[in-house]
Amino acid sequence: GAGVSQTPSNKVTEKGKYVELRCDPISGHTALYWYRQSLGQGPEFLIYFQGTGAADDSGLPNDRFFAVRPEGSVSTLKIQRTERGDSAVYLCASSSEGTVTGELFFGEGSRLTVL
Amino acid sequence: DQQVKQNSPSLSVQEGRISILNCDYTNSMFDYFLWYKKYPAEGPTFLISISSIKDKNEDGRFTVFLNKSAKHLSLHIVPSQPGDSAVYFCAASDGGSQGNLIFGKGTKLSVKP
Repeated sequence: GAGVSQTPSNKVTEKGKYVELRCDPISGHTALYWYRQSLGQGPEFLIYFQGTGAADDSGLPNDRFFAVRPEGSVSTLKIQRTERGDSAVYLCASSSEGTVTGELFFGEGSRLTVL
Repeated sequence: DQQVKQNSPSLSVQEGRISILNCDYTNSMFDYFLWYKKYPAEGPTFLISISSIKDKNEDGRFTVFLNKSAKHLSLHIVPSQPGDSAVYFCAASDGGSQGNLIFGKGTKLSVKP
């Protein structure tokens, strides 16, 4: 499809395990974003890539969270030593270069449950 | 502390009537405001936006009003349709970090036939 694709759609893991979430942005979009939405909350910014580099990672909650985008397209969000508080829907979004209006195109999200 | 507040968790409106969703913000550096709409099990989708240099932006049935002095914006939907039933998020940007949108908690709109 032409939209932002995220896999897996659902992930259940045990506390302490390592998790990877993948995002495939809209073709041609150079900007990619990760957000996290906890139950009853709005999306919360995690990290923003422009091309291959992380332009703003100020939203990552701690050093257990890391994201990469090695070729400027697909991105992977990595969470080490997962905790129950990491349970949330992780949303990926992309936008075309030069967008300053903040209009982002979101994927359907990856729901992470940490038991 | 929340920089973007949507104080009404839910709103119920009759089909054909006006829906008014409200949003307040605290950061005077915000210069761009957006509304996103979210259906269950889907990602948020962009609906309408407004720059801080304007006080109104209209797109079909959707109009966003901005009152900078009150740090308040509202989304008007008229006439409301059952398909408008969704969660509506208000978001703001200070332009300093592209894509770093600050979202409110959302308001769940139910439009009854």
